[in-house]
Formats: sequence, structure tokens, C-alpha cells
Amino acid sequence: QKEVEQNSGPLSVPEGAIASLNCTYSDRVSQSFFWYRQYSGKSPELIMSIYSNGDKEDGRFTAQLNKASQYVSLLIRDSQPSDSATYLCAVNNPNDYKLSFGAGTTVTVRA
Amino acid sequence: DTAVSQTPKYLVTQMGNDKSIKCEQNLGHDTMYWYKQDSKKFLKIMFSYNNKELIINETVPNRFSPKSPDKAHLNLHINSLELGDSAVYFCASSQGAGVNQPQHFGDGTRLSIL
Repeated sequence: QKEVEQNSGPLSVPEGAIASLNCTYSDRVSQSFFWYRQYSGKSPELIMSIYSNGDKEDGRFTAQLNKASQYVSLLIRDSQPSDSATYLCAVNNPNDYKLSFGAGTTVTVRA
Repeated sequence: DTAVSQTPKYLVTQMGNDKSIKCEQNLGHDTMYWYKQDSKKFLKIMFSYNNKELIINETVPNRFSPKSPDKAHLNLHINSLELGDSAVYFCASSQGAGVNQPQHFGDGTRLSIL
């Protein structure tokens, strides 16, 4: 079983819609969770971090964490063409300092 | 000013050669990392140093050897390059090795083996 799994893309949404990205993780002791955005040919860029259950909002981005279900999600509201990228979910294991990444979900926002 | 910088950006070389990639961060961070991102875009940790001490050493061929001369620099030397080494190698840094520390990535080094 992969440590971090993301819903397979690509995900295509019209401009102005909500893009919903999901991520599950296998290690119950994981404590911190991150979403990175990676444009094609570029480096991963941190867009959200979340450490406790519930929702965390930052601009048009909302991260949701449910540790009981081992589930973290990212919502992108009012999607813009500039949001077209691959979104990587990353989970930190406190036992070994490692950040484990999912395979990423590619989002395309149609103008 | 670039926070995490890697050189070179592109590296094209023949199989069997030895090459090095350099990384420097000016964020004052204590921890640095090397990741490999393959053609399927899967990002996997290779090594991590915290204050010049190796703390993560994943199962990678011993042809790969990291070196951290100080906490602002982490280099990666690769001996006897093989076709399967073709990938993008990212350097990253974080304030510390703690679980809540987000990591910041360099622009990557695109390594192509001919």
C-alpha cells in the first residue's frame, strides 16, 4: 500500500468552479500535512499546511483534515486558468522526519 | 534573491561519467534535502542533513553520495551514471527537521544520461 494516495487525474474544471482534490495516507501517526503546487517544468511550491482536524482557509484555497479517516483534501474556489498545475499532497511522519509525497493530481482549468 | 538555488539547471552527460550537483540556501535553515522526481512525476526523498549531520539516508545506490560542508550547502555527487539516473533532482530546505516544518524547494536539476 502506498503511503500517500491521491485521486488520479487529470481533473478538468471550468473557470470559476470549485476544484476538489483528495488525499489519503496510511500512517496513523502522521502529524503534519502539506499541499504543494507544481507547474510543468517548475519546482514544487508550498501553498497550504494543516496540522489539526478541521478546515483551514487561505484566500481561494481551503485545506480540510480528518485524522480519524486519514484524509486530507484541498478545495480551490473560483478556479482560474493560472491554477492549472499538478497538486502534490505531502505527509510528514514524526518517527523518521520524512515527507512522503503522493503522485499528484493534475488540474486543468478551462477558460 | 533565490532562496534555494541549485547548479547546474541542466546536466546532459554520458553513461559512466561522474557528476556533481550543488545546492545552497540563504534562508538560514538548519535542514536540507535531496529528492528525485522521475518521469512519472513521483517525488521521493533521497537524503537529508540537519546541521551537517545525515539524518535520512534512503535506499539509494551507493553511487550517490551527499556532502554538506556547512548547513547552508548540500551537494550531491553521482558516480558511474546510469540511464536510470535520468530524472529531475530537487534540493529543499526547512527551518529544522521537525514534523511541522514546511520544506522549500530549489528549481531542480534536470539530469539526462545519453
